[in-house]
Amino acid sequence: DAGVIQSPRHEVTEMGQEVTLRCKPISGHNSLFWYRQTMMRGLELLIYFNNNVPIDDSGMPEDRFSAKMPNASFSTLKIQPSEPRDSAVYFCASSSSKIGQGRDTQYFGPGTRLTVL
Amino acid sequence: RKEVEQDPGPFNVPEGATVAFNCTYSNSASQSFFWYRQDCRKEPKLLMSVYSSGNEDGRFTAQLNRASQYISLLIRDSKLSDSATYLCVVRSSARQLTFGSGTQLTVLP
Repeated sequence: DAGVIQSPRHEVTEMGQEVTLRCKPISGHNSLFWYRQTMMRGLELLIYFNNNVPIDDSGMPEDRFSAKMPNASFSTLKIQPSEPRDSAVYFCASSSSKIGQGRDTQYFGPGTRLTVL
Repeated sequence: RKEVEQDPGPFNVPEGATVAFNCTYSNSASQSFFWYRQDCRKEPKLLMSVYSSGNEDGRFTAQLNRASQYISLLIRDSKLSDSATYLCVVRSSARQLTFGSGTQLTVLP
């Protein structure tokens, strides 16, 4: 089975540009999470969706960040405008709330390594 | 105070050694506990869940002390392939996980 798919795997952009990160969760999973990982702050939850609805976005740093989940198989995280301090690895993870399917175990995608110059 | 605290290490141990990692959490209402493993430049992956009675998976033993809000991971007969960062993870609400900053382990030949 395919795991969580993220694209692009690497992104280098200049300050002020818009960046869009993409995620395809594991088929059948109903929760999706966006995380950011840096050396200084570790792994931080930015936002999570349950059944395509944003449940908690308190981890989103500021208005420059936005996330959408238009359907059960796709989500985006957008940064506009990007800044050098946004440089990090962005992970998407998904999980299922159904009993017997490794309930609530989060499976991570390979991440997008973002560098903002 | 961080919600989940770990000794960052690094721990450098010889092959075959036994090594233990500790973790404390601040939210007494935390419901579930896990250890994740993260290899260099890779994504975190679930290593094992941690149950109140303690649990073992091969060379790995996890323990939970709710009274002290303390979680541990013991690795016996360590292998070179055990080299990674080990993340202590706590779930305090229905879906959200809080990750510790990780403990780096290097197993030396």
